[in-house]
Amino acid sequence: DIQMTQSPSTLSASVGDRVTITCRASQSISSWLAWYQQKPGKAPKLLIYKASSLESGVPSRFSGSGSGTEFTLTISSLQPDDFATYYCQQYNSYWALTFGGGTKVEIK
Amino acid sequence: QVQLVQSGAEVKKPGASVKVSCKASGYTFTSYGISWVRQAPGQGLEWMGWISAYNGNTNYAQKLQGRVTMTTDTSTSTAYMELRSLRSDDTAVYYCARDYGGNSGPPDYFDYWGQGTLVTVSS
Repeated sequence: DIQMTQSPSTLSASVGDRVTITCRASQSISSWLAWYQQKPGKAPKLLIYKASSLESGVPSRFSGSGSGTEFTLTISSLQPDDFATYYCQQYNSYWALTFGGGTKVEIK
Repeated sequence: QVQLVQSGAEVKKPGASVKVSCKASGYTFTSYGISWVRQAPGQGLEWMGWISAYNGNTNYAQKLQGRVTMTTDTSTSTAYMELRSLRSDDTAVYYCARDYGGNSGPPDYFDYWGQGTLVTVSS
């Protein structure tokens, strides 16, 4: 299976900060990567698909970039509603989808 | 609007089986696949497998092969996930999720999720 490694595992930031989360794949996945946001006790919410395409209804302060093995999720100006855990997910590997370990964004 | 509504929490003993349901509404059920994803307490997300709501084709994560069965009932737009020979490390919240990739596979990413079903395995 393709391994997905996120960094950092925890990130402390303030409202208004620019935040970047990295996701690395153990082999090339082209642009077949999605990002999700999850809040405690809730299901994940799709933010980004195909590495950089913004899901409908997701604020434009979220953006994704990268291809191959290295990807980033950027929040341009962190808002109170953005404190959550973020996961990347690859869908290049047929029939063996995998997620990153998650990055928790905490209030500084 | 698209909704996936799952069945309620379950408590099972080791060795037992559990069957979780996921009722879909707000879209044409047979036009998409459904994946199941689980999350152990305090842990990350694990993909369990996928089923086409169109023809019932399935594909399961290798580590769960032989213990998991996914089915659908198109007459009620409901997907089911049954996990057998439960162990304590199967304790998790189980989610169904609509697969954006359509009904023929392979699975892609997930645009709608159920609310989750907590399955607790304890003696």
